[in-house]
Amino acid sequence: EIVMTQSPATLSVSPGERATLSCRASQSVSSNLAWYQQKPGQAPRLLIYGASTRATGIPARFSGSGSGTEFTLTISSLQSEDFAVYYCQQYNNWPPVTFGQGTRLEIK
Amino acid sequence: EVQLVESGGVVVQPGGSLRLSCAASGFTFDDYTMHWVRQAPGKGLEWVSLISWDGGSTYYADSVKGRFTISRDNSKNSLYLQMNSLRTEDTALYYCAKAKDGYNSFDYWGQGTLVTVSS
Repeated sequence: EIVMTQSPATLSVSPGERATLSCRASQSVSSNLAWYQQKPGQAPRLLIYGASTRATGIPARFSGSGSGTEFTLTISSLQSEDFAVYYCQQYNNWPPVTFGQGTRLEIK
Repeated sequence: EVQLVESGGVVVQPGGSLRLSCAASGFTFDDYTMHWVRQAPGKGLEWVSLISWDGGSTYYADSVKGRFTISRDNSKNSLYLQMNSLRTEDTALYYCAKAKDGYNSFDYWGQGTLVTVSS
């Protein structure tokens, strides 16, 4: 099973600033990596797939990068609606599909 | 518009059984792999199971293997999860999710149905 590790667990950033979230895989997942955003009381929403492709309707301030074992989600200028929990997920080696433990992005 | 609507979540005693359903609309259901993903209260996301477009292939997380069974009825655009021998650690919000294209990322999720296993 591929273990996904996200860092930091909590990130405090001011609105308008840049946020950088990291995700590491215990072995290579190529570019088969997705990012999701989850707000309280809501289902997760797909942001990025294929490590760097934005899903339909996702604003350009969200960008993904990386391949192999190291991945980054960058939010270029934080808006109030971006404060949420973010999960990475690998779908290269399955079963099982595996998620990171999440990064909580909070307002500084 | 794609919609996934789960149902069937209730409070059940340990050792009990439950069947969850997910009604799909807004896309060609029998073209896509479907998944169940769960989230324990205050915790992260855990993949549970997947089923291929035709139901011919199914896979499970080790934590539920032998106790849960995923199935689908393409004539009814519906996905199911039969849950047997339930444990307290199965308490979670259960989401059905649609696989994106030919890959196992999830482009659409339902709102979830809550399963509580408690005596």
